[in-house]
Amino acid sequence: KQEVTQIPAALSVPEGENLVLNCSFTDSAIYNLQWFRQDPGKGLTSLLLIQSSQREQTSGRLNASLDKSSGRSTLYIAASQPGDSATYLCAVRTQAGTALIFGKGTTLSVSS
Amino acid sequence: NAGVMQNPRHLVRRRGQEARLRCSPMKGHSHVYWYRQLPEEGLKFMVYLQKENIIDESGMPKERFSAEFPKEGPSILRIQQVVRGDSAAYFCASSPGNEQFFGPGTRLTVL
Repeated sequence: KQEVTQIPAALSVPEGENLVLNCSFTDSAIYNLQWFRQDPGKGLTSLLLIQSSQREQTSGRLNASLDKSSGRSTLYIAASQPGDSATYLCAVRTQAGTALIFGKGTTLSVSS
Repeated sequence: NAGVMQNPRHLVRRRGQEARLRCSPMKGHSHVYWYRQLPEEGLKFMVYLQKENIIDESGMPKERFSAEFPKEGPSILRIQQVVRGDSAAYFCASSPGNEQFFGPGTRLTVL
């Protein structure tokens, strides 16, 4: 049974820092992995999608990497800003057409 | 192209009443997923539907919960005889086949 873990559960950093959020999954046979952002009381915003054949994806200040063999993904946020404060969720899909399996998220707080 | 729409955004029900949650997928998306987020818990899959068909309902409680995605109109998640433990945020996601796009959610409170 696939399980997704995110460490740390919470992270506080000063503005301008580069930071890394971690995601691990127990079964390396995944179809794709998606990173989301969730603001308090709001829905999920898709940040990056990495297919199983890819190693990384980049969007602006965000870079996500995928190492299937070790069951890990990282989300790198460069030059963090207060507006980056949110909960970041990692989710994997084991096969095409199946549902996402989510981690519990990392809640990020960036202070100015 | 409007995003995934969910309504109502907030729903309050008393124990024993019925709750109906609606989800309109993005235009051109034929796949709909429902997830539930309990307080202090991660999002958990409930049911996956394509037009007029339930593909996977392995995450949905066997009793009181049902879902449909008719040929015309939104997908509906129906909870009968709600209990306090049903209080949660319910999210719908639609997909053209690969990436999933989430709606803003419906926050259900059972008194």
